[in-house]
Amino acid sequence: DIQMTQSPSTLSASVGDRVTITCRASQNIYTWLAWYQQKPGKAPKFLIYKASILAGGVPSRFSGSGSGTEFTLTITSLRPEDFATYYCQQYDSYSLTFGGGTKVEIK
Amino acid sequence: EVQLLESGGHLGQPGGSLRLSCAASGFPFTNYLMSWVRQAPGRGLEWVAGISANGDRIYYADFVKGRFTISRDNSNNALFLQMNSLRAEDTAVYFCAKGSGVYGVLYFDSWGQGHLVTVSS
Repeated sequence: DIQMTQSPSTLSASVGDRVTITCRASQNIYTWLAWYQQKPGKAPKFLIYKASILAGGVPSRFSGSGSGTEFTLTITSLRPEDFATYYCQQYDSYSLTFGGGTKVEIK
Repeated sequence: EVQLLESGGHLGQPGGSLRLSCAASGFPFTNYLMSWVRQAPGRGLEWVAGISANGDRIYYADFVKGRFTISRDNSNNALFLQMNSLRAEDTAVYFCAKGSGVYGVLYFDSWGQGHLVTVSS
């Protein structure tokens, strides 16, 4: 199975900050990568697919980049509603696998 | 608007069985792969199983092969997960998730609210 590793596991930031989350795959997954946002007690929300394409309705302060084995999710100018846990997911091959998550918390 | 609503048993014994259901609406159910994804308490997301739009292709995570069975009823827009030989480590919130296409390796563009399953004696 392809292993997905996110860093950092926790990130402390303030409203207005720019934050970057990294996701690394254990092998080449081209751009077959999705990102999700999850708030406590809620279902994940789909944010990005094919590494960099925003899902409908996702604010433009979110962006994704990368290919191969290294990917990033960037949030420019963090807003209060962005404090959440973020997960990457590879869909290059089964078993589908998620990163361990990055919690973005208020500094 | 896509809606996915999970239901089913909440408490199972080790070695026992539970069945989960997911009622889908707001999209052409017969056109999309569906999956189950779970999240143990305080842990990350873990894909469990997937079934293609017409049910002819089924995919399982290794840790549930031989124990869980995914199925669907396209005439009633429903997804199921039969969970047998339950283990304590199967305790998790189980999410029903809509795949981004008909079959194959996909991402999930809509999720249910989740259903807590606890395995304990």
